[in-house]
Amino acid sequence: EDQVTQSPEALRLQEGESSSLNCSYTVSGLRGLFWYRQDPGKGPEFLFTLYSAGEEKEKERLKATLTKKESFLHITAPKPEDSATYLCAVPPPVSYQGGSEKLVFGKGTKLTVNP
Amino acid sequence: DAGVTQSPTHLIKTRGQQVTLRCSPKSGHDTVSWYQQALGQGPQFIFQYYEEEERQRGNFPDRFSGHQFPNYSSELNVNALLLGDSALYLCASSWTGDGYTFGSGTRLTVV
Repeated sequence: EDQVTQSPEALRLQEGESSSLNCSYTVSGLRGLFWYRQDPGKGPEFLFTLYSAGEEKEKERLKATLTKKESFLHITAPKPEDSATYLCAVPPPVSYQGGSEKLVFGKGTKLTVNP
Repeated sequence: DAGVTQSPTHLIKTRGQQVTLRCSPKSGHDTVSWYQQALGQGPQFIFQYYEEEERQRGNFPDRFSGHQFPNYSSELNVNALLLGDSALYLCASSWTGDGYTFGSGTRLTVV
């Protein structure tokens, strides 16, 4: 069973057309939800970490929010340079001591912003 | 401050061969994790090295092995390559309590 589901798989927007990406998770006892941006052929670039329902974080045109079941990445007035795949990830339910948590990723949402 | 460095950037191998990928973590990071990302998929956790030991492992066969050196750099080895091993291999470094920093990856093509 997938622990992280992202929708839509792909999204095309016109420049300036605001929208939201969704990340739903089934992990109980959430210990953080991570958003990353990934450009083609590159590694994921960290955007946000959210830890508790109601938390919001913003960076330029992006705002991430978290509820008990899902997270949204809101994109306001996007520009072509916002085109990328956006990934969300969560640590698994079992806490691990020593080192860092592994992350379980969704498949991502490929965003294309046309000029 | 250098981020995570991976080498090589691209690699083409033949089925049945062996490959070694390398990763230098971000300065100050002591943990290295490896992920495999197939085209159109999210990264999948392979394993993690901390204090020169494999501490966690994902659902990957024993053909996948690794090593961490005293300077925290790491290698990923894959034996008996299959066509299905073709993917972007990502290295991510971190230190306990901090988030991950990913490298740009190694694109492995198995023919």
